[in-house]
Amino acid sequence: NAGVTQTPKFQVLKTGQSMTLQCAQDMNHNSMYWYRQDPGMGLRLIYYSASEGTTDKGEVPNGYNVSRLNKREFSLRLESAAPSQTSVYFCASSVISGGSSYNEQFFGPGTRLTVL
Amino acid sequence: GDSVTQMEGPVTLSEEAFLTINCTYTATGYPSLFWYVQYPGEGLQLLLKATKADDKGSNKGFEATYRKETTSFHLEKGSVQVSDSAVYFCALIGGSQGNLIFGKGTKLSVKP
Repeated sequence: NAGVTQTPKFQVLKTGQSMTLQCAQDMNHNSMYWYRQDPGMGLRLIYYSASEGTTDKGEVPNGYNVSRLNKREFSLRLESAAPSQTSVYFCASSVISGGSSYNEQFFGPGTRLTVL
Repeated sequence: GDSVTQMEGPVTLSEEAFLTINCTYTATGYPSLFWYVQYPGEGLQLLLKATKADDKGSNKGFEATYRKETTSFHLEKGSVQVSDSAVYFCALIGGSQGNLIFGKGTKLSVKP
């Protein structure tokens, strides 16, 4: 099993350009998440999908859109990139979401995005 | 709202030293608590967890005890190794959406 995979690993964009970050999991998990990691800020939730066909905003959704393409795949789109979106982006998945004690999240290796 | 506060880093220790990384939380009820570890250039991995008061989570020589009276979940290891150098995140399941809420992370460097 590959677990959670993300593409690309690195990306440099110019302000105003668009791009889609891809995420896939092969663990048959129901829930998937997108986080961004900034120095001194920990991880902040951008969007999540509790189950196939549903998506919800997290703590910092502005400037992003998501698509839960199927149970395996959850993509994050930046329509018009801004320098403030320079960050490391992590995708994660879990069997279920919510307040369950079994909500262990499995993380991908991350995408390092720089917006000039 | 729910939040996690962990000690500021970086923390630099010599090999075989004792490690404590403090973590306190604010939450309604008694949330499940977690420690995640991020090795250089990698994603986060679950290190240990505790789901109720007085539970002790343990893994790879690391331990943390869920203390509801002090709302704390401090991470400890008796003898650190160079391979333990990483960033450690304390987290809880909370908020209105029941998602993971992370502390800001503590970077640990262990010198030989």
